[in-house]
Amino acid sequence: NAGVTQTPKFQVLKTGQSMTLQCAQDMNHNSMYWYRQDPGMGLRLIYYSASEGTTDKGEVPNGYNVSRLNKREFSLRLESAAPSQTSVYFCASILVYSNQPQHFGDGTRLSIL
Amino acid sequence: KNQVEQSPQSLIILEGKNCTLQCNYTVSPFSNLRWYKQDTGRGPVSLTIMTFSENTKSNGRYTATLDADTKQSSLHITASQLSDSASYICVVSESNMLTFGGGTRLMVKP
Repeated sequence: NAGVTQTPKFQVLKTGQSMTLQCAQDMNHNSMYWYRQDPGMGLRLIYYSASEGTTDKGEVPNGYNVSRLNKREFSLRLESAAPSQTSVYFCASILVYSNQPQHFGDGTRLSIL
Repeated sequence: KNQVEQSPQSLIILEGKNCTLQCNYTVSPFSNLRWYKQDTGRGPVSLTIMTFSENTKSNGRYTATLDADTKQSSLHITASQLSDSASYICVVSESNMLTFGGGTRLMVKP
C-alpha cells in the first residue's frame, strides 16, 4: 500500500498562474483533507471532503477550489496563484468515525514568485 | 475559537537524555488527542491517540499523558536518539475535525 500520494512534490509558479495539486489514497478512507503548513504555524485546514460527492470549506479556503473526483482522489486547485499561497500543502485521509489516525502525504512544496 | 498551544517552541537535548513536551488545549467538545511526529520534508506520522477516558498511552520510548480536567497533555521521550530530531505536533479532535498545535521542534545532539 502506498498510503497517501501527493503530486507534484515541488512546484514554482508565477503570480497569476493556475495549477492543480493531486492527492490519492489507497486505504479505502472516506474522508479526505487539504492543509497548508506555514513556518511557525500549525497545519490549517483549507477544504475537506467528508465523503465522496461532498466538499466543505475549512479555516482558510479563499483562493482555492477542490474536487473529490472519486473515493480515492481529492484535488486542490489554485486558479490564480498569489505569493501568499507559498506554502507546503498536505493531503490527508481518514476512515471517519474511527479512532484511527489521519494518514498524511509527504506534502507539495509550492513557491509563488 | 478552539486552540492548541504547545511548549516549548524548540528544544535541544543531548542524545540519551529524556525530555517532556507540553500541550494545552481549549477544544470542546473533545473526541481525542493525538501526538504526531513530523520529520523534515515529510508528512506527520501518528505516535499516540488518547480518548478523554485515557490518562496515558505509550508507543516505545514515547509516552503521552492526558489530563482532561485541566486540558493538558504531555509527550515524554525516554533515552532520546538522534532520529528523534523532528517536530512534534499535538492535535485535538472534535468529531473528525482536527485542531493542530504549532509544534515543538526537537533537536537531539550527539
